[in-house]
Amino acid sequence: DAGVIQSPRHEVTEMGQEVTLRCKPISGHNSLFWYRQTMMRGLELLIYFNNNVPIDDSGMPEDRFSAKMPNASFSTLKIQPSEPRDSAVYFCASGPSGAYEQYFGPGTRLTVT
Amino acid sequence: KQEVTQIPAALSVPEGENLVLNCSFTDSAIYNLQWFRQDPGKGLTSLLLIQSSQREQTSGRLNASLDKSSGRSTLYIAASQPGDSATYLCAVVGGANSKLTFGKGITLSVRP
Repeated sequence: DAGVIQSPRHEVTEMGQEVTLRCKPISGHNSLFWYRQTMMRGLELLIYFNNNVPIDDSGMPEDRFSAKMPNASFSTLKIQPSEPRDSAVYFCASGPSGAYEQYFGPGTRLTVT
Repeated sequence: KQEVTQIPAALSVPEGENLVLNCSFTDSAIYNLQWFRQDPGKGLTSLLLIQSSQREQTSGRLNASLDKSSGRSTLYIAASQPGDSATYLCAVVGGANSKLTFGKGITLSVRP
């Protein structure tokens, strides 16, 4: 298996632009997680899906952030409009069931200028 | 609210040394604890997972222990090598459907 696939790997955009991050989980995994990592705050869970349904979105910072999982093999995290403080590495992870076993993708490094 | 602490934030040791990385958590009602490795610019790789009913797990030169009652875990690395240089993160799950809460990690540098 190719593991969790994220695209793009790097994204540089200007403040105010829309950003869409993409994730393909490992085939057969029922759970999908979006995380954000910064030096200041470490690794934070943004949202967690189980069987394509959002279970916990309490980590989504504000209405500018939205996430979808239209099917078991694809998820997106959208930021609209983007701000410089959104600059971070965004990770997607998937797991067979629940939160206790997760496999991480390589991450998307987002820079908002 | 669960909080996970890893101190120190960075550690530098000479090659060959045995070392211990510490992790503490505030809520002892955990489902499991995991140790991850993160190389620069890369994602996280799971190293060891300890269920709440277990006391330790071993994989090669790595041994992780768990003391739920005191809210502590340690990752022991035997005979450290330069290739062990990375950031090591500890994470706990509060329940079967709960989320992973991560520490900020310990950046380890093993000097040749």
